Amino acid sequence: DTAVSQTPKYLVTQMGNDKSIKCEQNLGHDTMYWYKQDSKKFLKIMFSYNNKELIINETVPNRFSPKSPDKAHLNLHINSLELGDSAVYFCASSHRTLDTQYFGPGTRLTVL
Amino acid sequence: DAKTTQPPSMDCAEGRAANLPCNHSTISGNEYVYWYRQIHSQGPQYIIHGLKNNETNEMASLIITEDRKSSTLILPHATLRDTAVYYCIVRVKSSGGSNYKLTFGKGTLLTVNP
Repeated sequence: DTAVSQTPKYLVTQMGNDKSIKCEQNLGHDTMYWYKQDSKKFLKIMFSYNNKELIINETVPNRFSPKSPDKAHLNLHINSLELGDSAVYFCASSHRTLDTQYFGPGTRLTVL
Repeated sequence: DAKTTQPPSMDCAEGRAANLPCNHSTISGNEYVYWYRQIHSQGPQYIIHGLKNNETNEMASLIITEDRKSSTLILPHATLRDTAVYYCIVRVKSSGGSNYKLTFGKGTLLTVNP
């Protein structure tokens, strides 16, 4: 059973396009996160939602807009994609904001 | 802005214990130390966490010094599948200041050799 799943696994697109990445967790957790891992392998948090409320926003460009339709889903929409957005994006979830985080398999985004 | 320092890489022979050190000299009294690992091309995986006492689970043991300024993650019998980047993490406050986040540093690349 997949605990935290992401779609798509790979995403290749042109600069300027708009794309979305979806995340779902079946762990019954209240808190979900988006992380970005760049080419240098640094893993940085972008957003966190708790019970569908945004609680962490780490100075991410406005082109990135997370949406949480319910506690089990946290989607990431990216407008006007740029070359620098190429990275692996990981979704994670935890029972509460301070608890152990469980990560999804990642979405590799390539912007050409 | 990671609050921990780790060696960039370590090697270990298969079947032997792997001891991964971490310094967190600025840790405050109520902050936990977390360990995650990331196997190539996969999402990070939680290993263990602790506050003051040593901890053990099915994956590893965590030894925290009495002054809490450093810790060691021990994989008692390393296998080839334990080759990964291991992250030692102390939570820091997020930009908004009211919540905490995991800040991943560069970690230690552990290579388990046959």
